[in-house]
Amino acid sequence: EKRLVESGGAVKQPGGSLRLSCVASGFFFGDYDMHWVRQTPGKGLEWVSVISWDGRSTSYADSVRGRFSVTRDNSKNSLYLQMTSLRNEDTAFYYCAKETHTVLQGKAYKWLDPWGQGTLVTVSS
Amino acid sequence: DIQMTQSPSSLSASIGDRVTITCRASQSIGTSLNWYQQKSGRAPKVLIYAASSLQSGVPSRFSGSGSGTDFTLTISSLQPEDFATYYCQQSYNGPRAFGQGTKVEMK
Repeated sequence: EKRLVESGGAVKQPGGSLRLSCVASGFFFGDYDMHWVRQTPGKGLEWVSVISWDGRSTSYADSVRGRFSVTRDNSKNSLYLQMTSLRNEDTAFYYCAKETHTVLQGKAYKWLDPWGQGTLVTVSS
Repeated sequence: DIQMTQSPSSLSASIGDRVTITCRASQSIGTSLNWYQQKSGRAPKVLIYAASSLQSGVPSRFSGSGSGTDFTLTISSLQPEDFATYYCQQSYNGPRAFGQGTKVEMK
């Protein structure tokens, strides 16, 4: 069974830092791009970041670019999100998700599956 | 960046109803559109990828259609376990934007 387990969520003050972790099992982690998605309690989903399978390419949402950094350690089947300069609006459940892909009629398609259970980050003074 | 807009934001329906949710992209995304279901307190799970391909294990009452900028998720006969929030997501390029969600509630 493919599984993702996040950890590291905590209560932090504005301006603080935090590192989230996501450990994968049940699939060859090093073959897949990985994403972070967040969700403010009671609100919708916001895509945060993606890292390529080899860690060489990353991309971020405008709302976190320059403050968050995504990395991975394929030897440990682990994904990380380093969060700095935290703001109240970063309060959310943070999910990691595996990018699954296929080719249909010569075109590549991608979607997120599976997702972890989420870890809660609360930023408050 | 591509923006995704869903409608309605919520709807009330009864068991057995046909339910339709729409999603519009701010520019053409071909068929690079995914649908997810999220139940309260749980992580999202994919229902449909590539606009119309049913994820393995998802009941056939779920279907997706559309291309370009306009997409639809249809539940042919609503079941009790389908009360949830549904999100579309583009996977064409750039930030993988989600729609704002559609909450399906019991009438």
